[in-house]
Amino acid sequence: NAGVTQTPKFQVLKTGQSMTLQCAQDMNHEYMSWYRQDPGMGLRLIHYSVGAGITDQGEVPNGYNVSRSTTEDFPLRLLSAAPSQTSVYFCASSRFPENTGELFFGEGSRLTVL
Amino acid sequence: AQSVTQLGSHVSVSEGALVLLRCNYSSSVPPYLFWYVQYPNQGLQLLLKYTTGATLVKGINGFEAEFKKSETSFHLTKPSAHMSDAAEYFCAVSDRAKAAGNKLTFGGGTRVLVKP
Repeated sequence: NAGVTQTPKFQVLKTGQSMTLQCAQDMNHEYMSWYRQDPGMGLRLIHYSVGAGITDQGEVPNGYNVSRSTTEDFPLRLLSAAPSQTSVYFCASSRFPENTGELFFGEGSRLTVL
Repeated sequence: AQSVTQLGSHVSVSEGALVLLRCNYSSSVPPYLFWYVQYPNQGLQLLLKYTTGATLVKGINGFEAEFKKSETSFHLTKPSAHMSDAAEYFCAVSDRAKAAGNKLTFGGGTRVLVKP
């Protein structure tokens, strides 16, 4: 079972470059989300989606864009990378609208912005 | 807005000793409560959760947590630590309203070191 797959696992960018972090899940989950993890701050929600064509902002959305064209995929775009976006990014999915709180996480994408 | 506080960013325990990780939340209405574990270079996985019913909740790998409404706490315990318990542990909360989806608010995390 693949679960939640994130690519790439590691990426180094220069300030101002753009890139897309890919996330795919094969569990037919309606809910998908992106978090960033920074030391001492836990995980903070960037954007989330409750189904194809529906996205919304989380706690720290600035500098990030998302789209949801299919149930399976939820890419996260950085339009102009900044050093403050150096972090580990996690994609997570779950069933919806059952509010069980059981998120299934990918293994993370470590991004460094120089 | 909800918030979660985990006391102690690092905890060191001896193998076989009690593991106690503290979590307090701030919410006007008791939320759903969760503990997640993150092993090195991996994503998070659910240890246990409290939604309703019995306030003492048992999870995987011998962990349990107790919801105390009067103390707004959800502390995690394990009677006897094992070397494999070395990981980072996150307490999280979510709004009971279905419209909130599965948006979780996480604490800052507690890294557990187990000494032989």
